[in-house]
Amino acid sequence: NAGVTQTPKFQVLKTGQSMTLQCAQDMNHEYMSWYRQDPGMGLRLIHYSVGAGITDQGEVPNGYNVSRSTTEDFPLRLLSAAPSQTSVYFCASSYSPRGGGSGYTFGSGTRLTVV
Amino acid sequence: AQSVTQPDIHITVSEGASLELRCNYSYGATPYLFWYVQSPGQGLQLLLKYFSGDTLVQGIKGFEAEFKRSQSSFNLRKPSVHWSDAAEYFCAVGVKEYGNKLVFGAGTILRVKS
Repeated sequence: NAGVTQTPKFQVLKTGQSMTLQCAQDMNHEYMSWYRQDPGMGLRLIHYSVGAGITDQGEVPNGYNVSRSTTEDFPLRLLSAAPSQTSVYFCASSYSPRGGGSGYTFGSGTRLTVV
Repeated sequence: AQSVTQPDIHITVSEGASLELRCNYSYGATPYLFWYVQSPGQGLQLLLKYFSGDTLVQGIKGFEAEFKRSQSSFNLRKPSVHWSDAAEYFCAVGVKEYGNKLVFGAGTILRVKS
């Protein structure tokens, strides 16, 4: 089925470890983004990309890196995990930046715990 | 700064009763508005969106929302709630920042009593 695929679904890291959260979409969407979801705070934008080779920071980018080598993939890297990065991470894609057309499509999320 | 307020953290309604979830936004330009639903352990599913035109928009699962510019509101409604509607609901506005992003409210958890 067409959509946004995130892996892994669950991950436990030790403080200081690094890892990559994977995100892939098969809808040929140009716009992709990463959000983190924390209780009572809704979702906050970490990084986004408006096309292959183009990425930029969102509102909470510290401690995270991204790259966009293809239209389909948009991995999120945690450089040195900290307990404050314990959260649920969602990848989203859209045909247009403002969510036009069918709006944003979200992956099912990665629940990350840093101990 | 842009913001979205969902004043109700939790709402409990009886099955078959009507539902209204409130959403107020703060944004200077004409907003793109969205409602998403999230079931436990799942991603977000788009219920409906407003970009322009008719201020009453219809969505999936029998939901509708009305855009009221004068009140900066985009409330979600359903005439008769089903037990399967129990979930968390997020209102969001699309803003021209950070390459255009969604600003989310904190969410409203809906509980349905049988």
